[in-house]
Amino acid sequence: TQTVSQSDAHVTVFEGDSVELRCNYSYGGSIYLSWYIQHHGRGLQFLLKYYSGNPVVQGVNGFEAEFSKSDSSFHLRKASVHWSDSAVYFCAVRGNNRIFFGDGTQLVVKP
Amino acid sequence: GGIITQTPKFLIGQEGQKLTLKCQQNFNHDTMYWYRQDSGKGLRLIYYSITENDLQKGDLSEGYDASREKKSSFSLTVTSAQKNEMAVFLCASSRTAETLYFGSGTRLTVL
Repeated sequence: TQTVSQSDAHVTVFEGDSVELRCNYSYGGSIYLSWYIQHHGRGLQFLLKYYSGNPVVQGVNGFEAEFSKSDSSFHLRKASVHWSDSAVYFCAVRGNNRIFFGDGTQLVVKP
Repeated sequence: GGIITQTPKFLIGQEGQKLTLKCQQNFNHDTMYWYRQDSGKGLRLIYYSITENDLQKGDLSEGYDASREKKSSFSLTVTSAQKNEMAVFLCASSRTAETLYFGSGTRLTVL
């Protein structure tokens, strides 16, 4: 059974702060993890993915994520957030030709 | 690049009504998906299709039918709308269950 857990439903930071959005997964097969962003009223957009190699992967707009097999985690980070980063972020794991999503973390960036 | 087009953007129905949502993609992707997103929640898979005329049930298929008559289109039918139901239905496509590309969604309200 594949599961994805995003422990924080809401995160609020100020512009210029760093942020880490947490994701833990459980899956017994080969790993394929990804993050998506959803701005209000829109569909989801792909941010980045990991399936092998360097555990730190870079995405668009300064986002990066780090895979940890020992922690079963794939946390998303950004060093300096902008107000336009306010959105809902979804972590996802692939399994059996399907993709399972977490419940999402709403990020609010205050000016 | 490509695009996923969902119609209609807003759908208002009556209790017990049969309602159809449409999705078109021009990525030439094999796999297409229908997800349901309730307010503040993650995405739940309703149906997916790995090729033309193929249908696979997701976790939430009861109360829905789907149809994939062409590679580029995937429609979803709510067989009997439930009173006060409100949700966003998201269509997505992918080449090999890796990166998903999403439409902007159809917002359903049942009076």
